[in-house]
Amino acid sequence: GAVVSQHPSWVICKSGTSVKIECRSLDFQATTMFWYRQFPKQSLMLMATSNEGSKATYEQGVEKDKFLINHASLTLSTLTVTSAHPEDSSFYICSATPGVFYEQYFGPGTRLTVT
Amino acid sequence: GIQVEQSPPDLILQEGANSTLRCNFSDSVNNLQWFHQNPWGQLINLFYIPSGTKQNGRLSATTVATERYSLLYISSSQTTDSGVYFCAVVPGGGADGLTFGKGTHLIIQP
Repeated sequence: GAVVSQHPSWVICKSGTSVKIECRSLDFQATTMFWYRQFPKQSLMLMATSNEGSKATYEQGVEKDKFLINHASLTLSTLTVTSAHPEDSSFYICSATPGVFYEQYFGPGTRLTVT
Repeated sequence: GIQVEQSPPDLILQEGANSTLRCNFSDSVNNLQWFHQNPWGQLINLFYIPSGTKQNGRLSATTVATERYSLLYISSSQTTDSGVYFCAVVPGGGADGLTFGKGTHLIIQP
């Protein structure tokens, strides 16, 4: 149980285009989903928290107009990187939790390369 | 915000050895998790352990919340245990995302 999927696994896009990443909880309802970013040989950094039906909360320094998050249902959250630039190239990982005081379950991640 | 420090940053051991990884955190926590990140980047949940002791096969973990640290024990290491081990916490009082330590890079040599 507690499986989280992400799609796509990897994506290459040209500078200036937008990319959408999907995160799904497959066997539980996720009241909250989170988006993290990991640069090579570094730790994971929280980007934003999303709750179903409400606006996402972004961490300090994360541009909400560049990283659009939509949490349309209790099993799906999407992250759209708008007008991507090479510095947005990174490993993006989502997590989901059934609720407060529960553990978070992570998706397999999406490797984004912007050329 | 809360600070999470992991030690050691790097550890090289021979197959069959035992190891202890440490995680110190600077404030009370609602959630503490240990993960193993495999070479493809997938985070594998090892333990959800905001307090107490748990064991799962060759791995065990202990969190002493009052002293703000957690330990991950790996016994009889295997080469497949190699990778990065992360400790991550959610500060007390919130339903927030995890704050990760910098990880311990473990290499098990045959």
